[in-house]
Parts: sequence; C-alpha cells; structure tokens
Amino acid sequence: NAGVTQTPKFQVLKTGQSMTLQCAQDMNHEYMSWYRQDPGMGLRLIHYSVGAGITDQGEVPNGYNVSRSTTEDFPLRLLSAAPSQTSVYFCASSGDGRSTDTQYFGPGTRLTVL
Amino acid sequence: GENVEQHPSTLSVQEGDSAVIKCTYSDSASNYFPWYKQELGKRPQLIIDIRSNVGEKKDQRIAVTLNKTAKHFSLHITETQPEDSAVYFCAASIGLQGGSEKLVFGKGTKLTVNP
Repeated sequence: NAGVTQTPKFQVLKTGQSMTLQCAQDMNHEYMSWYRQDPGMGLRLIHYSVGAGITDQGEVPNGYNVSRSTTEDFPLRLLSAAPSQTSVYFCASSGDGRSTDTQYFGPGTRLTVL
Repeated sequence: GENVEQHPSTLSVQEGDSAVIKCTYSDSASNYFPWYKQELGKRPQLIIDIRSNVGEKKDQRIAVTLNKTAKHFSLHITETQPEDSAVYFCAASIGLQGGSEKLVFGKGTKLTVNP
C-alpha cells in the first residue's frame, strides 16, 4: 500500500491563480481531511469528508473547495490564491469514517503564494 | 470555544532525562486524545492515543495520562534519546452536528534532546 499520497510536493502561485492539490489513499478509508500547518499554529482543519459524496467545512474553509466523488480521492481546490494561503497542506485519512480513529497523514504540499 | 492549549512551546532536556508535555481542552464531551510526532520536514505520525474511559496508557518509553475532571492530558517520555527530538502535537476530539467529530490540535512543542 502507498498509504496517503499528495501531489505536488511544492508549488508556487501568483495571487489570483487557482490550483488543485491532489490527495489519494489506497486503504479504503472512509474519513479524509485537509489541514493547513502554519508556524506556531499547529494543524487547522480546512475541510473533511466522512465518505464519498459527503463533505463539510472545518475551522478555516474560506477560499477552499473540496469534492469527494470516489473513496480514494479528496482534492482541495484554491479558487483564487492569496498570500495568506501560503502554508504546508496535509491530507489525512482514517478507517472508520470518523476523525477519532488513527489518522494517517500524507507527505504534505508546501505552497507559496506570491 | 473549542480550544486545546499545549505547554511548553519548547522543551530542552539532556539525553536520559524525562520530558513532559501538557495539554488542556475546553470541551467536556471530548473523548479521544491522540499525540503526534513530527520530525523536521516530515508528516505528523501518531505515537500514542487515549480514550476517555482510560486514565493512563503506556507504550515502552511513552505514556499518556488523562484527567477528565480537570480536562487535561499529558505526554511523558522517559529515558529520552536524541531521536526523540521533534515537534509533538496533542489533539482532542470535538463533536460536530450530525454525529461526526473533528480533531482540534494544540500548537505544538518543540522537544530537543541534547546528547
């Protein structure tokens, strides 16, 4: 199993550009989530999904969209990038459809918005 | 509101000493408390977790204690080694509408173990 994979590893955007961060898992996990990590701020939940076709907002959803058309994939879309979205983004998944099962994190995407 | 406070933000110990990191949470309904270790440039990885029906859990040199009355939980690392150097995050589960839950993370503790 590859576990949780994320692409790209690094990305530089200009203000106003849009892009999609990809996340995939091959563990048949129901629960998937996106976090952003900023220095001194810990991990903050952006969006999450408890299964295919179901998504919901986390703590900091503004400026981001998600969809969950398959169990495996959970892409994160930045609609119009802003410098405040410069961060490291982690995707995570867990097995039983809840965040209170062990969450497995992807390797992260480091995004810089100029 | 939903909040997890973590202290200290940095901790430096000598190899072989013990390290203790403490977290407090605000939601009395929280029932799951994991601890993650993140090495520099790497992803967070679960090292130990505890649920609200247990007061203490151990795994070799790592232990977690939970005091539900006081709403705090702690990570204890004994006989520290240089490879324990990392950032450690605590988290607590928060209930959401519809029955699902989310994790709220503390801001992290940078642990340095000096040889």
